[in-house]
Amino acid sequence: AQSVTQLDSQVPVFEEAPVELRCNYSSSVSVYLFWYVQYPNQGLQLLLKYLSGSTLVKGINGFEAEFNKSQTSFHLRKPSVHISDTAEYFCAVSLSGSARQLTFGSGTQLTVLP
Amino acid sequence: KAGVTQTPRYLIKTRGQQVTLSCSPISGHRSVSWYQQTPGQGLQFLFEYFSETQRNKGNFPGRFSGRQFSNSRSEMNVSTLELGDSALYLCASSLAGDGTKTQYFGPGTRLLVL
Repeated sequence: AQSVTQLDSQVPVFEEAPVELRCNYSSSVSVYLFWYVQYPNQGLQLLLKYLSGSTLVKGINGFEAEFNKSQTSFHLRKPSVHISDTAEYFCAVSLSGSARQLTFGSGTQLTVLP
Repeated sequence: KAGVTQTPRYLIKTRGQQVTLSCSPISGHRSVSWYQQTPGQGLQFLFEYFSETQRNKGNFPGRFSGRQFSNSRSEMNVSTLELGDSALYLCASSLAGDGTKTQYFGPGTRLLVL
C-alpha cells in the first residue's frame, strides 16, 4: 500500500518570502503525485500533478514541484508568497494505472504573515 | 461549466439515525469518488463509482454505502450514525476512471452527529 508523509503540519512565512512544503511518499509501484490546496470552508483545488516525463512540474498560482524518485519526494515550492496563499496544502498519491483512489498526506497549514 | 455540487452543505443528525448525501458531478464526468475528512484521520478514501459500478472501496465499515445513477449523480448513505462519523464529506468527479485525469472536488457536506 502507498502512504504519504507531510513533514510539517504548520509553516508560517512572511509575505514575499519563498516557501517549500515537503512531501515524501512510499510505494512499491509507480505512482502519480498531486498537490491540492484547501481554502477555509471549501473543497480541494488541484495545484499541480506529476504523471510522467519532466520531473519539474509547474502549476497554478506560481507554484511548482519537483519529483525526486530516488528520495521519493515531491516538494512544493513558490518563490514569493502572498497573503492569499494562506491555506491548507495536501500532497496525494494514486497508483498509476489503477482506479481513482487518492491517498492524502495529513496536510500542511501555510500561513503567510504581513 | 458548473462545478461539482453537493447537497446539503450542512447537516445535523443524532446517533443511530441514517443520512444520505448527494453529489452531482461536472457534466460529462463519469467517475465519482467520495472522501471523508476529519481533524483526527485527515482525508480518507471511501469509494469510487464509474458507470454505475463501484470500482474501489476504502477501509470503512459496511454502514457506509453508495450508489451512482445513470446520469452519473451519486449518493452516499451512512446508517446507524456514530459520533465519530462527524466529518466533512467530499465528492470528486473526473472524466475517466484511470488515474491520469484530474479529480475536481465539490465544496463538501459537513455532517455533525450529536
